[in-house]
Order: sequence, then C-alpha cells, then structure tokens
Amino acid sequence: GQQLNQSPQSMFIQEGEDVSMNCTSSSIFNTWLWYKQDPGEGPVLLIALYKAGELTSNGRLTAQFGITRKDSFLNISASIPSDVGIYFCAAINAGGTSYGKLTFGQGTILTVHP
Amino acid sequence: DAMVIQNPRYQVTQFGKPVTLSCSQTLNHNVMYWYQQKSSQAPKLLFHYYDKDFNNEADTPDNFQSRRPNTSFCFLDIRSPGLGDAAMYLCATSDPRSGVGEQFFGPGTRLTVL
Repeated sequence: GQQLNQSPQSMFIQEGEDVSMNCTSSSIFNTWLWYKQDPGEGPVLLIALYKAGELTSNGRLTAQFGITRKDSFLNISASIPSDVGIYFCAAINAGGTSYGKLTFGQGTILTVHP
Repeated sequence: DAMVIQNPRYQVTQFGKPVTLSCSQTLNHNVMYWYQQKSSQAPKLLFHYYDKDFNNEADTPDNFQSRRPNTSFCFLDIRSPGLGDAAMYLCATSDPRSGVGEQFFGPGTRLTVL
C-alpha cells in the first residue's frame, strides 16, 4: 500500500542539538500529522497541519505543511533526553470517504545522548 | 481528561487460544480503529467502525474479528492466535464530523503468544 517516505530513519544526537526530519509523498494530502511514540506506549499526536504552507509550533517543536501538499517537516530545537522515541509522520485526506485512511511514514528513531 | 483506554496493557496467551482485547473511549468519537504494530514499524490498520458500520481492510486475516457494542467500547477478538500475531495492538478514535482527520491512540496492548 501507499506509504510516506520519511527520513532519516534514525538519528543519534547530543543533548541541546536541533533535529530535523521530513516526509514526502507522491500524492496530495489535505492534513499532515506528526506523532511521537515512546517505547511500549501508543503514538501521541504532537502537531496537526491543515493548510498548505502552514507553519505550526508546539513548544520546542515546529512543523510545516509543504506548499505542494506533498511534504511536511518537523523540527525539534534544543533537544533533551526525553525527546527520545520514534517519530511518525502521517497524512490523510480528511472529509469525504477517506476519513479513516491514515498513511504513515516509516518512522524516525531519535536517540539523544546526555 | 477525555481519553482512549486499552485493557489489558499486557496480554499473554497460548498458541491457538482465543483472546480478546478491549478499548474504551471518553471522547465520544464516532469512529474507532484497531491497528497492529510490530517492532518499530508503522501501525497497520486492521479495521475500523464508523458508528456501527464495520470496515475491514482487504489484507486483514479472518482470524481477527471486532465488535462494537456501543459508542464507547470496541473489542478485538483473535480467534486462534499464532506466533506471528505477537505484536502491539493499538486502538484509535477520530471524529470526522469535526472535519479534521486527527486520530487519537490508546496506550496499546502488548500481546505475547507462547
């Protein structure tokens, strides 16, 4: 099935560094979502993006919905050890009959060294 | 706080012994989903309910069934678990009536098959 192309697959960084990850798609979506998953837990929604070009922040996190509606990025500034986890991008065409079909990226495994 | 709850968090069953996982939600969302997630992969949608309407994914094995007795509860039944069914099972909800595609996940049930 269709899948978003998420990169990088993994990152090893020092505490305090900034992090950037992105997702691309061959198809257009009208909603992009970023989730974080801690080990043994379910994904937690970090940021939701609804409009092409939209730039949204949530604390140290910033995400943008690409102008072409085929990509999105997530930045984490001044990383801390609790940022460790797997970050998934997901996209959906909300509305109509496609409400249930979240398409996921492969995930980015983030490791932060103190 | 409104939330998605899954019980149990950890479930151990024997090969071939039926098992039921449960999910409840206080969000009053009309759509509930069941996902299967294996080690560091993206969640894979098994099926979902839009109100009482059941929607099965084409590649979901017949071994997996679901019940939704009311808005708040949804169950995943695995009729004859095999070793390959060991995974994290995630329940999620959404409310397409709001016009947005966000899905909210529960903490998951980790299933071990002996």
